[in-house]
Amino acid sequence: DAKTTQPPSMDCAEGRAANLPCNHSTISGNEYVYWYRQIHSQGPQYIIHGLKNNETNEMASLIITEDRKSSTLILPHATLRDTAVYYCIAGGATNKLIFGTGTLLAVQP
Amino acid sequence: DTEVTQTPKHLVMGMTNKKSLKCEQHMGHRAMYWYKQKAKKPPELMFVYSYEKLSINESVPSRFSPECPNSSLLNLHLHALQPEDSALYLCASSQTGGSNYGYTFGSGTRLTVV
Repeated sequence: DAKTTQPPSMDCAEGRAANLPCNHSTISGNEYVYWYRQIHSQGPQYIIHGLKNNETNEMASLIITEDRKSSTLILPHATLRDTAVYYCIAGGATNKLIFGTGTLLAVQP
Repeated sequence: DTEVTQTPKHLVMGMTNKKSLKCEQHMGHRAMYWYKQKAKKPPELMFVYSYEKLSINESVPSRFSPECPNSSLLNLHLHALQPEDSALYLCASSQTGGSNYGYTFGSGTRLTVV
């Protein structure tokens, strides 16, 4: 599974869009980009995933660059409940997901 | 039912005890996973079961013994643990057959070894 690099922490004002970057320059052609988040002491929660195209669901949007070496998770209107550690994972081809160190997003009132 | 249920939520055990963690899902997922998470660290993969067979063991010590009795149930048997094994143990499940599926995680069992 490809290694991912994320900033350790980010701040975002409540009501504004939160843009979380992720680098996965060694991603292979059959590996997906997954995003999960973990609110303190709970199990990770699936957010979104994609292969090549941009994806959107009720929680977030995922923008993947054309060369697939990086991606951005967008939370369009962050709330205090979005404060969590966000994990970007590149992989899944071998049926296992390996978590990186993640980004702690703090949404400020 | 779209949940993974883990029991117990909290467990305190002595180093000579034998205990088991239980994980259950009824989503028809045929891949199930155990992860271990230490405080302020990301989850670490321990075991992967696919169609009730162990497919991946990430070099986990033998004091952790997984078992998958059927397609809905995953156990983790614990014996002679050490205090450093204290952690949040997470179970997850997913569809098999490719990577176009997300994982569903349980809320975990908080294990304390005394």
